[in-house]
Amino acid sequence: RKEVEQDPGPFNVPEGATVAFNCTYSNSASQSFFWYRQDCRKEPKLLMSVYSSGNEDGRFTAQLNRASQYISLLIRDSKLSDSATYLCVVRMDSSYKLIFGSGTRLLVRP
Amino acid sequence: NAGVTQTPKFQVLKTGQSMTLQCAQDMNHNSMYWYRQDPGMGLRLIYYSASEGTTDKGEVPNGYNVSRLNKREFSLRLESAAPSQTSVYFCASTGQTYGYTFGSGTRLTVV
Repeated sequence: RKEVEQDPGPFNVPEGATVAFNCTYSNSASQSFFWYRQDCRKEPKLLMSVYSSGNEDGRFTAQLNRASQYISLLIRDSKLSDSATYLCVVRMDSSYKLIFGSGTRLLVRP
Repeated sequence: NAGVTQTPKFQVLKTGQSMTLQCAQDMNHNSMYWYRQDPGMGLRLIYYSASEGTTDKGEVPNGYNVSRLNKREFSLRLESAAPSQTSVYFCASTGQTYGYTFGSGTRLTVV
């Protein structure tokens, strides 16, 4: 079983739609959680951290459920520029190693 | 502010050849990492260096060696390249904060 699992998609949505991505992780000792964005043939870039209380950054909302070992990302009012692969990421220990999910691909159409 | 710089950006090797991928960061970060990314597999950790002078194996270290030359530089060496090492390689670094900064990647093809 992969340590971090995501639905690979692709999610194909119209502009303005709301879309949600889910992610599960297997190690209950995981300490920190993130969403990264990766554009085609580019490096991953940090989108946002995920806090237990939930957090929002503009159109993006992240949630964490430690009991269920579940992370989510909600994107409201999708833009064409949101088309990318979204990576769920977990940090396991004090060495700052990050464990990446395989990513969920989002396509936003006009 | 360059961030993390990787060289080369592209490389084609013949099976059995060796090469070194270079990575340098100018953010005074303590920790540096090498990942490979294959279709459908996500990013997998090859080696990491939590601080200058230390290196540790990640998830997929076989066939690779690393050197943390100084605080800025962390190189990845393929001693005898194999077609299975065809991949995109990313170097990353992090300081006391949580976020990684990635280099732009090296696209390696082994024929």
